[in-house]
Amino acid sequence: GAGVSQSPRYKVAKRGQDVALRCDPISGHVSLFWYQQALGQGPEFLTYFQNEAQLDKSGLPSDRFFAERPEGSVSTLKIQRTQQEDSAVYLCASTAAGLGYTFGSGTRLTVV
Amino acid sequence: GQQLNQSPQSMFIQEGEDVSMNCTSSSIFNTWLWYKQDPGEGPVLLIALYKAGELTSNGRLTAQFGITRKDSFLNISASIPSDVGIYFCAGLTDMDSNYQLIWGAGTKLIIKP
Repeated sequence: GAGVSQSPRYKVAKRGQDVALRCDPISGHVSLFWYQQALGQGPEFLTYFQNEAQLDKSGLPSDRFFAERPEGSVSTLKIQRTQQEDSAVYLCASTAAGLGYTFGSGTRLTVV
Repeated sequence: GQQLNQSPQSMFIQEGEDVSMNCTSSSIFNTWLWYKQDPGEGPVLLIALYKAGELTSNGRLTAQFGITRKDSFLNISASIPSDVGIYFCAGLTDMDSNYQLIWGAGTKLIIKP
Protein backbone atom coordinates (compact mmCIF):
# COMPACT_ATOMS: atom_id res chain seq x y z
CA GLY A 1 0.00 0.00 0.00
CA ALA A 2 0.89 3.68 -0.21
CA GLY A 3 1.42 4.06 3.52
CA VAL A 4 1.50 2.21 6.80
CA SER A 5 -2.03 1.25 7.78
CA GLN A 6 -3.05 0.53 11.36
CA SER A 7 -6.32 -0.81 12.66
CA PRO A 8 -8.40 -0.18 14.56
CA ARG A 9 -7.85 3.59 14.89
CA TYR A 10 -9.47 3.57 18.31
CA LYS A 11 -10.01 0.77 20.78
CA VAL A 12 -11.73 0.90 24.14
CA ALA A 13 -11.10 -2.17 26.26
CA LYS A 14 -12.34 -3.13 29.67
CA ARG A 15 -9.59 -3.85 32.15
CA GLY A 16 -8.60 -7.48 31.86
CA GLN A 17 -9.67 -7.81 28.23
CA ASP A 18 -7.24 -8.98 25.54
CA VAL A 19 -6.67 -6.74 22.51
CA ALA A 20 -4.99 -7.18 19.13
CA LEU A 21 -3.66 -4.27 17.12
CA ARG A 22 -2.84 -4.67 13.46
CA CYS A 23 -0.20 -3.05 11.29
CA ASP A 24 0.04 -3.27 7.50
CA PRO A 25 3.47 -1.91 6.56
CA ILE A 26 4.45 -0.49 3.19
CA SER A 27 4.81 -3.34 0.74
CA GLY A 28 8.39 -4.55 0.55
CA HIS A 29 9.54 -2.85 3.74
CA VAL A 30 11.78 -5.28 5.56
CA SER A 31 11.90 -3.57 8.94
CA LEU A 32 8.90 -3.02 11.16
CA PHE A 33 8.75 -1.30 14.53
CA TRP A 34 6.15 -0.91 17.24
CA TYR A 35 6.20 2.13 19.50
CA GLN A 36 4.07 3.18 22.46
CA GLN A 37 3.28 6.86 22.86
CA ALA A 38 1.80 8.13 26.11
CA LEU A 39 -0.06 11.43 26.13
CA GLY A 40 2.33 14.36 25.94
CA GLN A 41 5.38 12.17 25.38
CA GLY A 42 7.52 11.01 22.53
CA PRO A 43 7.21 7.47 21.19
CA GLU A 44 8.95 4.71 23.12
CA PHE A 45 10.37 1.66 21.39
CA LEU A 46 8.59 -1.64 21.96
CA THR A 47 9.88 -4.14 19.42
CA TYR A 48 11.59 -4.56 16.05
CA PHE A 49 11.13 -7.09 13.25
CA GLN A 50 13.30 -7.77 10.26
CA ASN A 51 11.07 -9.72 7.91
CA GLU A 52 9.43 -12.35 10.11
CA ALA A 53 12.18 -12.40 12.71
CA GLN A 54 11.65 -10.48 15.92
CA LEU A 55 15.16 -9.19 16.50
CA ASP A 56 14.50 -7.03 19.53
CA LYS A 57 11.67 -7.11 22.02
CA SER A 58 13.48 -5.34 24.81
CA GLY A 59 10.95 -2.49 24.94
CA LEU A 60 7.90 -4.63 25.63
CA PRO A 61 6.83 -3.52 29.12
CA SER A 62 5.66 -6.89 30.40
CA ASP A 63 5.00 -10.45 29.36
CA ARG A 64 1.40 -9.43 28.68
CA PHE A 65 2.67 -7.83 25.47
CA PHE A 66 3.34 -10.03 22.48
CA ALA A 67 4.06 -9.18 18.85
CA GLU A 68 4.28 -11.29 15.75
CA ARG A 69 4.88 -10.93 12.04
CA PRO A 70 4.53 -14.51 10.79
CA GLU A 71 4.88 -13.90 7.05
CA GLY A 72 7.15 -10.88 7.15
CA SER A 73 4.46 -8.39 6.21
CA VAL A 74 1.44 -7.74 8.47
CA SER A 75 2.22 -7.52 12.17
CA THR A 76 -0.01 -7.86 15.19
CA LEU A 77 0.64 -6.48 18.65
CA LYS A 78 -1.33 -8.34 21.27
CA ILE A 79 -1.88 -7.18 24.81
CA GLN A 80 -3.32 -9.66 27.26
CA ARG A 81 -5.26 -8.78 30.40
CA THR A 82 -5.11 -5.05 29.65
CA GLN A 83 -4.43 -2.64 32.49
CA GLN A 84 -5.14 1.08 32.72
CA GLU A 85 -1.46 1.89 32.35
CA ASP A 86 -1.58 0.30 28.89
CA SER A 87 -3.70 3.22 27.65
CA ALA A 88 -1.63 4.96 24.97
CA VAL A 89 -1.27 5.38 21.24
CA TYR A 90 0.46 2.41 19.64
CA LEU A 91 2.41 3.39 16.55
CA CYS A 92 3.76 1.10 13.87
CA ALA A 93 6.56 2.16 11.53
CA SER A 94 8.27 0.46 8.61
CA THR A 95 11.32 1.12 6.50
CA ALA A 96 13.07 -0.50 3.58
CA ALA A 97 16.43 0.55 4.97
CA GLY A 98 17.96 3.18 7.19
CA LEU A 99 16.16 5.53 9.50
CA GLY A 100 13.58 6.83 7.04
CA TYR A 101 10.73 5.28 8.99
CA THR A 102 7.19 5.77 7.76
CA PHE A 103 4.76 5.77 10.65
CA GLY A 104 1.14 4.74 10.62
CA SER A 105 -1.55 6.90 12.20
CA GLY A 106 -1.58 4.75 15.29
CA THR A 107 -4.17 2.94 17.38
CA ARG A 108 -5.40 4.85 20.41
CA LEU A 109 -6.06 2.31 23.15
CA THR A 110 -8.12 3.34 26.15
CA VAL A 111 -8.49 0.85 28.98
CA VAL A 112 -11.44 1.53 31.26
CA GLY B 1 18.24 5.46 30.78
CA GLN B 2 19.40 7.98 28.22
CA GLN B 3 17.28 11.08 27.83
CA LEU B 4 16.79 13.87 25.39
CA ASN B 5 15.80 17.20 26.88
CA GLN B 6 13.68 19.06 24.40
CA SER B 7 12.72 22.68 24.86
CA PRO B 8 10.60 24.61 24.96
CA GLN B 9 7.72 22.36 25.88
CA SER B 10 5.32 24.63 23.99
CA MET B 11 5.45 27.85 22.02
CA PHE B 12 2.78 30.43 21.29
CA ILE B 13 3.77 32.52 18.32
CA GLN B 14 2.29 34.91 15.80
CA GLU B 15 2.01 33.88 12.19
CA GLY B 16 5.09 35.05 10.33
CA GLU B 17 7.42 34.75 13.31
CA ASP B 18 10.52 32.61 13.32
CA VAL B 19 10.63 29.62 15.67
CA SER B 20 13.55 27.91 17.34
CA MET B 21 13.60 24.73 19.42
CA ASN B 22 16.36 22.46 20.59
CA CYS B 23 17.32 19.15 22.09
CA THR B 24 20.20 18.43 24.41
CA SER B 25 21.62 15.36 26.03
CA SER B 26 24.49 14.29 28.24
CA SER B 27 25.19 11.50 25.73
CA ILE B 28 26.96 11.77 22.41
CA PHE B 29 24.74 11.23 19.38
CA ASN B 30 25.72 10.07 15.91
CA THR B 31 22.36 10.80 14.30
CA TRP B 32 19.71 13.44 14.93
CA LEU B 33 16.25 13.39 13.40
CA TRP B 34 13.47 15.94 13.57
CA TYR B 35 9.84 14.86 13.19
CA LYS B 36 6.48 16.63 13.13
CA GLN B 37 3.33 15.00 14.45
CA ASP B 38 -0.15 16.29 13.69
CA PRO B 39 -3.10 15.36 15.92
CA GLY B 40 -4.23 11.80 15.32
CA GLU B 41 -1.35 11.02 13.02
CA GLY B 42 2.05 9.39 13.27
CA PRO B 43 5.30 11.39 13.22
CA VAL B 44 6.62 12.49 9.83
CA LEU B 45 10.35 12.90 9.24
CA LEU B 46 11.38 16.48 8.46
CA ILE B 47 15.17 16.49 8.55
CA ALA B 48 17.90 13.94 9.23
CA LEU B 49 21.43 14.90 10.37
CA TYR B 50 24.37 12.52 10.35
CA LYS B 51 27.53 14.60 10.99
CA ALA B 52 28.61 16.98 13.72
CA GLY B 53 28.24 20.55 12.52
CA GLU B 54 25.91 19.57 9.68
CA LEU B 55 23.38 22.23 8.77
CA THR B 56 20.47 21.05 6.63
CA SER B 57 17.44 22.87 5.27
CA ASN B 58 14.07 21.64 4.08
CA GLY B 59 12.10 24.61 2.80
CA ARG B 60 11.55 26.99 5.69
CA LEU B 61 13.02 24.49 8.14
CA THR B 62 16.68 24.42 9.10
CA ALA B 63 18.29 22.00 11.52
CA GLN B 64 21.83 21.68 12.83
CA PHE B 65 23.79 18.85 14.41
CA GLY B 66 25.72 20.43 17.27
CA ILE B 67 29.52 20.40 17.22
CA THR B 68 29.66 18.68 20.61
CA ARG B 69 27.32 15.95 19.22
CA LYS B 70 25.18 16.43 22.32
CA ASP B 71 22.62 18.81 20.89
CA SER B 72 20.59 19.83 17.86
CA PHE B 73 18.27 22.67 17.00
CA LEU B 74 15.43 23.19 14.57
CA ASN B 75 14.46 26.59 13.20
CA ILE B 76 11.29 27.41 11.31
CA SER B 77 11.24 30.70 9.46
CA ALA B 78 8.15 32.79 8.73
CA SER B 79 5.72 30.42 10.43
CA ILE B 80 2.38 29.68 8.80
CA PRO B 81 -0.79 28.09 10.26
CA SER B 82 0.02 24.60 8.95
CA ASP B 83 3.23 24.60 11.03
CA VAL B 84 1.04 23.95 14.08
CA GLY B 85 1.76 20.57 15.62
CA ILE B 86 4.21 18.78 17.85
CA TYR B 87 7.86 18.65 16.85
CA PHE B 88 10.04 15.82 18.14
CA CYS B 89 13.75 15.33 18.09
CA ALA B 90 15.05 11.78 18.05
CA GLY B 91 18.49 10.33 17.83
CA LEU B 92 20.89 7.45 18.01
CA THR B 93 23.91 7.32 20.29
CA ASP B 94 27.10 5.35 19.83
CA MET B 95 25.90 3.10 22.64
CA ASP B 96 22.66 2.14 20.95
CA SER B 97 21.63 -0.27 18.30
CA ASN B 98 21.41 1.30 14.86
CA TYR B 99 17.64 1.44 14.96
CA GLN B 100 16.40 2.10 18.49
CA LEU B 101 15.74 5.83 18.47
CA ILE B 102 15.66 7.89 21.65
CA TRP B 103 12.95 10.56 21.53
CA GLY B 104 12.44 13.93 23.14
CA ALA B 105 9.11 14.78 24.75
CA GLY B 106 8.17 17.19 21.98
CA THR B 107 7.65 20.92 21.43
CA LYS B 108 4.05 21.93 20.82
CA LEU B 109 3.78 24.82 18.39
CA ILE B 110 0.65 26.94 18.63
CA ILE B 111 -0.01 29.93 16.41
CA LYS B 112 -1.95 32.76 17.99
CA PRO B 113 -4.90 33.90 15.87
